[in-house]
Amino acid sequence: EVQLVESGGELVQPGGSLRLSCAASGFTLSSYWMNWVRQAPGKGLEWLANINQDGNEKYNADSVKGRFIISRDNAKNSLYLQMSGLRVEDTAIYYCARDAYATGSSDYWGQGTLVTVSS
Amino acid sequence: QSALTQPASVSGSPGQSITISCTGTNSDVGGYTYVSWYQQHPGKAPKLMIYDVTNRPSGVPDRFSGSKSGNTASLTISGLQAEDEADYYCCSYTTSATPAYVFGTGTTVTVL
Repeated sequence: EVQLVESGGELVQPGGSLRLSCAASGFTLSSYWMNWVRQAPGKGLEWLANINQDGNEKYNADSVKGRFIISRDNAKNSLYLQMSGLRVEDTAIYYCARDAYATGSSDYWGQGTLVTVSS
Repeated sequence: QSALTQPASVSGSPGQSITISCTGTNSDVGGYTYVSWYQQHPGKAPKLMIYDVTNRPSGVPDRFSGSKSGNTASLTISGLQAEDEADYYCCSYTTSATPAYVFGTGTTVTVL
């Protein structure tokens, strides 16, 4: 069974840093592009970043460019999102998702991890 | 990257058909066949319903169909059922800035 489990979300002060993790199981992580997507409370979905199978190709949304870094460790079956310079507006549920067809179509999602940025 | 435009809400009676539109530009929806649709129930993770404009993943009922004309993609739900009540989001590849993806604003579907 394909599973994605995010962790690392917590309350952090503005300007702080946080590293989110996504543990993958039930499939070969190294075969797929992966995405991070977030959803602010009561708001819509926002695509944040993606990374190719071996990690040498990455893209970010303009809203997080220079602050968020996506990475992966296929040997550990894990995806990461390093976040720095956090702002109140970064408060959201953060999801990792598997890109099924390398076309931005995410067929499996984690349950999400909540990041709250507040003083 | 600006969000794709969707109607805030669409409603229909059980058994009816509804269509949700997703309007972008020729730098996203109009320029590529990488449009997907997601269903999200409250408190749950999104679920992929359509990928690459018209394709349905295994397990998604054939009541759900996707299409595209120009800069507008559409999701049609035929034979609307109570369990279809949810939020729906489109997503497209975009080259308006660096290569990336952009979601739509989201549509709440209500089954009357």
